[in-house]
Amino acid sequence: GQQLNQSPQSMFIQEGEDVSMNCTSSSIFNTWLWYKQDPGEGPVLLIALYKAGELTSNGRLTAQFGITRKDSFLNISASIPSDVGIYFCAGQLTNAGKSTFGDGTTLTVKP
Amino acid sequence: DVKVTQSSRYLVKRTGEKVFLECVQDMDHENMFWYRQDPGLGLRLIYFSYDVKMKEKGDIPEGYSVSREKKERFSLILESASTNQTSMYLCASRGTGLSITDTQYFGPGTRLTVL
Repeated sequence: GQQLNQSPQSMFIQEGEDVSMNCTSSSIFNTWLWYKQDPGEGPVLLIALYKAGELTSNGRLTAQFGITRKDSFLNISASIPSDVGIYFCAGQLTNAGKSTFGDGTTLTVKP
Repeated sequence: DVKVTQSSRYLVKRTGEKVFLECVQDMDHENMFWYRQDPGLGLRLIYFSYDVKMKEKGDIPEGYSVSREKKERFSLILESASTNQTSMYLCASRGTGLSITDTQYFGPGTRLTVL
């Protein structure tokens, strides 16, 4: 089946640094999603991308839908301690049915 | 505001008990999902449903069953709980359109401990 490779698996950064993570797939998707999960909570949707090449921002977050439709990246600028958590990417091929999830990037921000 | 709710945040059960986890969404979504999440294993799909009374097995359905009698409600059932079913359980729903409200949304999770 489809698989997403999300990297890096974990990141340890200093407060104020920028962060970049990405997802790649061997198959195309027509929607890319990025979620953040705080400890003990469910994932929360951060950004949804619907068009190849699309670049979307949400505050300090910026995500792009790769032009080949097989990858996406998420950047976080000027990280703060509350950015700590697990970030998941997800791809959707059709407008119904299952999504495919990456294994997550665990972000630790040192004050 | 989109909302997926789960009946319990924390649950402690004994081995052999029958366990019901309930999920309700208020977005009129057609699709609903149950995942479990364990450290280092990511999100694993147990079952999903694309319509009332319809269900399909996910990647790890063994030891679980589901019920969807109404569009807004999707229940996960552990017929006889075992210790290896101790986990975080996440419900999600998704519409069939392409707007932001049709995107997949998760509930807050239920942390189940089986003793």
